[in-house]
Amino acid sequence: AQTVTQSQPEMSVQEAETVTLSCTYDTSENNYYLFWYKQPPSRQMILVIRQEAYKQQNATENRFSVNFQKAAKSFSLKISDSQLGDTAMYFCAFMKSRGGNQFYFGTGTSLTVIP
Amino acid sequence: KAGVTQTPRYLIKTRGQQVTLSCSPISGHRSVSWYQQTPGQGLQFLFEYFSETQRNKGNFPGRFSGRQFSNSRSEMNVSTLELGDSALYLCASSLVSGGGETQYFGPGTRLLVL
Repeated sequence: AQTVTQSQPEMSVQEAETVTLSCTYDTSENNYYLFWYKQPPSRQMILVIRQEAYKQQNATENRFSVNFQKAAKSFSLKISDSQLGDTAMYFCAFMKSRGGNQFYFGTGTSLTVIP
Repeated sequence: KAGVTQTPRYLIKTRGQQVTLSCSPISGHRSVSWYQQTPGQGLQFLFEYFSETQRNKGNFPGRFSGRQFSNSRSEMNVSTLELGDSALYLCASSLVSGGGETQYFGPGTRLLVL
C-alpha cells in the first residue's frame, strides 16, 4: 500500500520570502511519480510541479522547486519569492508508474502568505 | 481548450435518495478519475475510467458507481445516500491512463446530504 504524509497542517510565510512544505511517502514501488497540487480557496486544484522517480534531477517550475530524496522517500516543495496568490491548500500526491491513474494524496498543508 | 467541467456544481439531497454527477473531460482526454474530498478523510480515490472501461476502483461501497461514454464524458452515481456522503466530488481527466500522466481537475460538485 502507498501512503503519503504531510506533517505540517498549516504554515505561513511573509510575502517575498521562501517557504518549504514537507512530504514523505511510503511505497515498495521502484518506479513512480510525485506531484504537488495547489487548491486555492473555493477554486479548483491545479498542478504545481511533477517529478519522475527515475530522474535524479529535481524538478523546477519558475518559483517552485522540489527536493526529491528517493532513498529517504521525501519530496518537499520550495516556494521562492512567495506571492499572495500562493495562498492555498497544497497537496502532495503519489502515483504508481503502472496500473492506471490513481493518486494517493497527503492530507494537505494550508499555506497563508502574509502581506 | 476548455477545462474539465462538472455539473451540477452544488446539490442538496436527503438520506436515501440517489444522485448522479457528471464530468466532461478536456477535449481529447480519454481517462477520467473521480475523487471524494472531505475534511475528515481528505482526498480519496473512487474510480478511474479509460475508454469506457473501469480501470481502477478505490475502497468505496457498491453504492458508488460510475460509467464513461464514448465521448469520454463520465458520470458517477451514488445510491441510497448517507449523511457521510456529503463531500466535494472532484473529477480529473488525462490524455491516457498510466505512465504518470498529469491529471487536470474540475471545479467539483459539492454534495450536501440532509
